[in-house]
Amino acid sequence: AQSVTQLGSHVSVSEGALVLLRCNYSSSVPPYLFWYVQYPNQGLQLLLKYTSAATLVKGINGFEAEFKKSETSFHLTKPSAHMSDAAEYFCAVSETNAGGTSYGKLTFGQGTILTVHP
Amino acid sequence: DAMVIQNPRYQVTQFGKPVTLSCSQTLNHNVMYWYQQKSSQAPKLLFHYYDKDFNNEADTPDNFQSRRPNTSFCFLDIRSPGLGDAAMYLCATSRRQGADTQYFGPGTRLTVL
Repeated sequence: AQSVTQLGSHVSVSEGALVLLRCNYSSSVPPYLFWYVQYPNQGLQLLLKYTSAATLVKGINGFEAEFKKSETSFHLTKPSAHMSDAAEYFCAVSETNAGGTSYGKLTFGQGTILTVHP
Repeated sequence: DAMVIQNPRYQVTQFGKPVTLSCSQTLNHNVMYWYQQKSSQAPKLLFHYYDKDFNNEADTPDNFQSRRPNTSFCFLDIRSPGLGDAAMYLCATSRRQGADTQYFGPGTRLTVL
């Protein structure tokens, strides 16, 4: 089964600073990878997803992530943090079978809470 | 706007008293999912429907059931809630199975007294 590991349960940055949230995956087949954001007491919103096209994926709100097979990583970045970016971020992998077909189940990492200081 | 709606947003029930959570969607998606998210934890898939086909995760307790009477609605029934079932329950939809984007509702926070 595929899995993701998010390094750092809490990340704190200053407004305007670079945001880097780390995600490493484990998969024996090419994975489908996602980043979701969750604001307090709300559902999850998709930021971006990787589905084996371009390795650099651009998402909403200025976020992007780069798929690096050699490092089994899919880290999320944003050049300049904004106060409204404070939230919890989840990396997720879509479970696939040996043939690389996904049946839709998302397995999430433990989440990273991003705090943005003025 | 097309969306995923969950009612109620907050639900309080008593230990052992059956409770039903509701999800509806205006996206006309074929797939509907139920996730359980306990405090400070990642969401965990309970089951999903692909059209009328029900798919239960192997480790979902029998206490949890689901119904999908039509494309738009899906219900989560907890037959005898225990204290350990207190959580946020998230409904999501996708157009197809596979790696399609899943669209999440705002969730229902269940409290068990």
